[in-house]
Amino acid sequence: DGGITQSPKYLFRKEGQNVTLSCEQNLNHDAMYWYRQDPGQGLRLIYYSQIVNDFQKGDIAEGYSVSREKKESFPLTVTSAQKNPTAFYLCASSIVSQETQYFGPGTRLLVL
Amino acid sequence: SQQGEEDPQALSIQEGENATMNCSYKTSINNLQWYRQNSGRGLVHLILIRSNEREKHSGRLRVTLDTSKKSSSLLITASRAADTASYFCATGLMEYGNKLVFGAGTILRVKS
Repeated sequence: DGGITQSPKYLFRKEGQNVTLSCEQNLNHDAMYWYRQDPGQGLRLIYYSQIVNDFQKGDIAEGYSVSREKKESFPLTVTSAQKNPTAFYLCASSIVSQETQYFGPGTRLLVL
Repeated sequence: SQQGEEDPQALSIQEGENATMNCSYKTSINNLQWYRQNSGRGLVHLILIRSNEREKHSGRLRVTLDTSKKSSSLLITASRAADTASYFCATGLMEYGNKLVFGAGTILRVKS
């Protein structure tokens, strides 16, 4: 069963804590993306990666970090520097030469 | 800032009626896509139109693109209660891969 999985579905962060959101895909896609969605708004790009061991900052990268050590995995760390982390986080992937992106089910991050 | 802006922000119609959503953007694009999001879920790709195309159809969906006016419209014909969702346009700039820039979305409610 091919697709993109994100875990956990809900994540709670304490003040000053770093948390990591998981994104895995078995679609054999080279490109992967992380977006943030705030209530009533569209998606904003945090980071993206076109190939293993390479990634680029998106529009709102401050307070976030990523790694791309494997083709299938693109974890996102929300650091303590991100002062307003409460949001819905979506991971996506695509074939590099094609325009369509395929999305995971999302992780909702809440601050305690 | 977001590239695409959707209009209206919210739309409520009766089952069987047609729903039209509009999207405007600011700069040149390679492609424009429409995605659907059910509440609390990931996005699902609906249809893609390239900058050299004017109209595309997919089932009950019809998309138009006017590059001179930098605008697109999505028409859903014979709407169903199951069409209730948020609809987002996303403009693609094939520079480093395909970075998508999303609008804020239109919330569609179809009443049965």
